[in-house]
Amino acid sequence: DIQMTQSPSLLSASVGDRVTLSCKASQSIYNSLTWYQQKLGEAPKLLIYDANSLQTGIPSRFSGSGSGTDYTLTISNLQPEDVATYFCQKYYSGSTFGSGTKLEIK
Amino acid sequence: EVQLVESGGSLVQPGGSLKLSCVASGYTFSNYWMDWVRQTPGKSLEWIGEINTDGSKTNYAPSIKDRFTISRDNAKSTLYLQMSNVKSDDTAIYYCTSLGGDYWGQGVMVTVSS
Repeated sequence: DIQMTQSPSLLSASVGDRVTLSCKASQSIYNSLTWYQQKLGEAPKLLIYDANSLQTGIPSRFSGSGSGTDYTLTISNLQPEDVATYFCQKYYSGSTFGSGTKLEIK
Repeated sequence: EVQLVESGGSLVQPGGSLKLSCVASGYTFSNYWMDWVRQTPGKSLEWIGEINTDGSKTNYAPSIKDRFTISRDNAKSTLYLQMSNVKSDDTAIYYCTSLGGDYWGQGVMVTVSS
């Protein structure tokens, strides 16, 4: 099974910062990666699909990049409403979620 | 407006069975694969499995080990999750998802306890 490892598990940053969240696969997943944002008490919300495609309606401060085994979600100009837990999900050869990164505002 | 509404969650004893439903509306249900995902309290998401458009093909997470069965009724725009021989580790919020993860239901709670 392909394992997905997210880091860090907890990230604290200031409003206006640029933050980078990492997601690593145990083998290549060929850009078959989705990023979700989950706020407390809500269902996950799709942000990025196919590793780097921004979902319609998602602010352009969110971006995804990477290839092979290493992927990144970048949030530029961090806003208070971005406080959430972020999950990556691979959908190559079955589906698996990462353990999440909890993003807080300092 | 796309809506996914799960139902059927409850308290069930270990070893028991439960069937969850997910009614879809606002789009052509029969055109899309559907997934079930669960989330244990305070923890990560776990993909349970998926079903193709006509219900002829399913894929499951290895951890499910033949205890769960996903099915669908396109005439009723409804997705199902049959859970058997449930364990305490199956206690979670269960979500149905569609359109490549773009839409999620509100989730339904399943508690496995004696």
